[in-house]
Amino acid sequence: RKEVEQDPGPFNVPEGATVAFNCTYSNSASQSFFWYRQDCRKEPKLLMSVYSSGNEDGRFTAQLNRASQYISLLIRDSKLSDSATYLCVVKKSNFGNEKLTFGTGTRLTIIP
Amino acid sequence: DVKVTQSSRYLVKRTGEKVFLECVQDMDHENMFWYRQDPGLGLRLIYFSYDVKMKEKGDIPEGYSVSREKKERFSLILESASTNQTSMYLCASSGEGGGNQPQHFGDGTRLSIL
Repeated sequence: RKEVEQDPGPFNVPEGATVAFNCTYSNSASQSFFWYRQDCRKEPKLLMSVYSSGNEDGRFTAQLNRASQYISLLIRDSKLSDSATYLCVVKKSNFGNEKLTFGTGTRLTIIP
Repeated sequence: DVKVTQSSRYLVKRTGEKVFLECVQDMDHENMFWYRQDPGLGLRLIYFSYDVKMKEKGDIPEGYSVSREKKERFSLILESASTNQTSMYLCASSGEGGGNQPQHFGDGTRLSIL
């Protein structure tokens, strides 16, 4: 079983719609969680960290469910510029080990 | 803004060659990483370093070595390149402090081994 699993998609969503992705992780010792965004042929960039209480950044909302070991990302009022691959990322411990484990990504295309 | 610079965007080498991929960061970050990214497999960690002259194996270190002689520079070395090392290589760096320190990536090097 992969340490971090995501539905690869593709998700083809009309502009203005709301879309949600889930990601599951296998290691209960995971401590830090992130969503990265990667555009075609570009490097991954941090979209947002995911906090235990859930957090929002504009149209983006991230949630963490430790009991079920999953992370979600919700995008409201989707824009054409949201088209990208979204990578779910976990880190096992907060201090001393900065190693991240990446999911394979969920591909999102926003359709005009 | 953090800047992570990889020496080449595209590189073509031959089987058996020794290949050097260079990465430089300008934020005085302690941690540096080398990944490769392949379709369907995502990013996989090859090696990382948390200090000068320190290195740790990642998930797929076979066929690779690294060098960190200076804090800002982390080099990936393919000792004898093989065709299965054709891939996109990404370098990243992050600061210390634990918590939610993000990794900042370079633009990537698309390496083809013929």
